[in-house]
Amino acid sequence: KAGVTQTPRYLIKTRGQQVTLSCSPISGHRSVSWYQQTPGQGLQFLFEYFSETQRNKGNFPGRFSGRQFSNSRSEMNVSTLELGDSALYLCASSVLPGQGGTEAFFGQGTRLTVV
Amino acid sequence: GIQVEQSPPDLILQEGANSTLRCNFSDSVNNLQWFHQNPWGQLINLFYIPSGTKQNGRLSATTVATERYSLLYISSSQTTDSGVYFCAVGVNYGGSQGNLIFGKGTKLSVKP
Repeated sequence: KAGVTQTPRYLIKTRGQQVTLSCSPISGHRSVSWYQQTPGQGLQFLFEYFSETQRNKGNFPGRFSGRQFSNSRSEMNVSTLELGDSALYLCASSVLPGQGGTEAFFGQGTRLTVV
Repeated sequence: GIQVEQSPPDLILQEGANSTLRCNFSDSVNNLQWFHQNPWGQLINLFYIPSGTKQNGRLSATTVATERYSLLYISSSQTTDSGVYFCAVGVNYGGSQGNLIFGKGTKLSVKP
């Protein structure tokens, strides 16, 4: 069974640009969440999508957005990139409660560098 | 919101030694996971353990939900155990995953 797949693995962007990251969850998982990891702030929750609807959102500016498609694949977008957006972005997927609990499984991450 | 504290922040061991990592959380949770972050950044699932005790090889974990803490035991440590160990907790609701709140991690270094 394939794990959570994130693309691309590495990305270098210039300040002011925008970026789109992709996440394919484990087959059968319908919940996808995104996290940002930085040395200063640690791992922080960005948002969660379930059945194509944003269910939960962390404390991030509106430049950070996402969506989920009918096949549960998710994308997150960051517009007007800032140097502080440089981070490892991690995606997690999980099944519905009652179908094995809500254990989250993470992808390898996308390392974004803003220059 | 829920606070998660991990201790110790750093741990240096000689290969073969045993260790205990602790995770304290400030409120009731219905999701608790332990992860090992590999050098490439991926979070590897160790345990999904909102309560009780589980064992997997040289690793075991115990969560005492009523006292709001969890312990991760590593026995006979190996150099490949090096890395950062994270505890994450969450409150699930309405059929969704909710969000995980992570501790700051314990950085483990195992020396040969």
